[in-house]
Amino acid sequence: SQQGEEDPQALSIQEGENATMNCSYKTSINNLQWYRQNSGRGLVHLILIRSNEREKHSGRLRVTLDTSKKSSSLLITASRAADTASYFCATANNNNDMRFGAGTRLTVKP
Amino acid sequence: SQTIHQWPATLVQPVGSPLSLECTVEGTSNPNLYWYRQAAGRGLQLLFYSVGIGQISSEVPQNLSASRPQDRQFILSSKKLLLSDSGFYLCAWSGQGAGQPQHFGDGTRLSIL
Repeated sequence: SQQGEEDPQALSIQEGENATMNCSYKTSINNLQWYRQNSGRGLVHLILIRSNEREKHSGRLRVTLDTSKKSSSLLITASRAADTASYFCATANNNNDMRFGAGTRLTVKP
Repeated sequence: SQTIHQWPATLVQPVGSPLSLECTVEGTSNPNLYWYRQAAGRGLQLLFYSVGIGQISSEVPQNLSASRPQDRQFILSSKKLLLSDSGFYLCAWSGQGAGQPQHFGDGTRLSIL
């Protein structure tokens, strides 16, 4: 299965600290995406990194991709209480096939 | 801009009753459409996806079915609900092409009694 697996399952930090979440997968991918989900809501797309890219930034988000290790990380800098949510990685292959991991539950304490 | 509507937001149904959840997309044409189920505190399980009207691919055998009667309408149905059908159901759309970002509705929380 190419499904991503996030690590850790849960993360609790203080406001202002950085949060790092990791994702591992098993097969070749076209791209890898990160999503955010607030409790009881749908997922929101955050960032997409292609298989030929190694790093991407969007505001306070930094994503890295290491295809040799089949892993990705999402870094949220200077976290805020409003960043509290679950974060999912999703891997996409060259077909209409996207697989989501089980997510990391991030809690940012004010 | 594109929007996706999913309803109802919550639904409580008895075992053995039928189900119909509807999802519509506005502001885009010929989207890929998806139905997912999410168990509490877990990831998403892809149930069905569609690349066009009347074209449905099923990922998991079960007592659910999906239909796409119009380009921007996706319906999830069941003739007889089971207790195990409880969960959070999410509809999503994406552009055509492999690996496009998906855009989600706000989900339907289904409880089976």
